[in-house]
Amino acid sequence: DAGVIQSPRHEVTEMGQEVTLRCKPISGHNSLFWYRQTMMRGLELLIYFNNNVPIDDSGMPEDRFSAKMPNASFSTLKIQPSEPRDSAVYFCASSSRQGANSPLHFGNGTRLTVT
Amino acid sequence: KQEVTQIPAALSVPEGENLVLNCSFTDSAIYNLQWFRQDPGKGLTSLLLIQSSQREQTSGRLNASLDKSSGRSTLYIAASQPGDSATYLCAAHGSSNTGKLIFGQGTTLQVKP
Repeated sequence: DAGVIQSPRHEVTEMGQEVTLRCKPISGHNSLFWYRQTMMRGLELLIYFNNNVPIDDSGMPEDRFSAKMPNASFSTLKIQPSEPRDSAVYFCASSSRQGANSPLHFGNGTRLTVT
Repeated sequence: KQEVTQIPAALSVPEGENLVLNCSFTDSAIYNLQWFRQDPGKGLTSLLLIQSSQREQTSGRLNASLDKSSGRSTLYIAASQPGDSATYLCAAHGSSNTGKLIFGQGTTLQVKP
C-alpha cells in the first residue's frame, strides 16, 4: 500500500501564475477529498469526489479554484490565477467508501507559496 | 453549522504522564468522531474512529470516548512517551451520506523526556 501520493511536495510560484496540484489516491478507494490547511483557519474541506464525481464543492473559495478527477487513480486541483493568500498546505485524502465509518487516509501534502 | 473546538491549543507534559485531550462539537447529530495525529511536515494519520452508537474505542495506549449528549470527546493517552509528541486533531462527521469531516484546530502535545 503506497498510500495517498501527492505532487509536488513544495511549490513556489509568483502571483498570477497557474498552479496544478496532483493526487493519486489509494488503489480501490472511491472517495477523494481536497483539504487546505493554514495556521489561521486550520483544515478546511475544499471539495470531495465519490466515484470520480464531485459531490460537494461548497468549500472551494472562488472561481479561481477548480478540481477534476478524470479517473479513479488521479485528481488535480488547479488555481488560476494564484494569489499570495492561497499560500497553504494542500492535502489530498481518500477513503474506501462514501459515507462515514471509513477512516480518511491523507497524503503528505503540497506546501504552496505564492509570492 | 457544526463547529469543533479543541482545548488546550498546546500541552507540555513529562514522559510517563497520563493525559487527556479534549474536543467539543456544537451539533450532537454526528455520525462519528475521528481522532488524527499530525507530525510536522506530514499528513494526518487516523488514530481512532468512534461511531455515534459507540461510547469509546481503544488502540494500544490510546482510548477515545464520545458523549454525544454533551457534545464532547476525549482522547486519553496512557504512559506518554516522547514519540507521542505531535498535533492531535479531532473531526466530527456530520452525515452518513457525505464524507464531510469538520476539524478542530488541534492540540499540539510535547512530551519531555
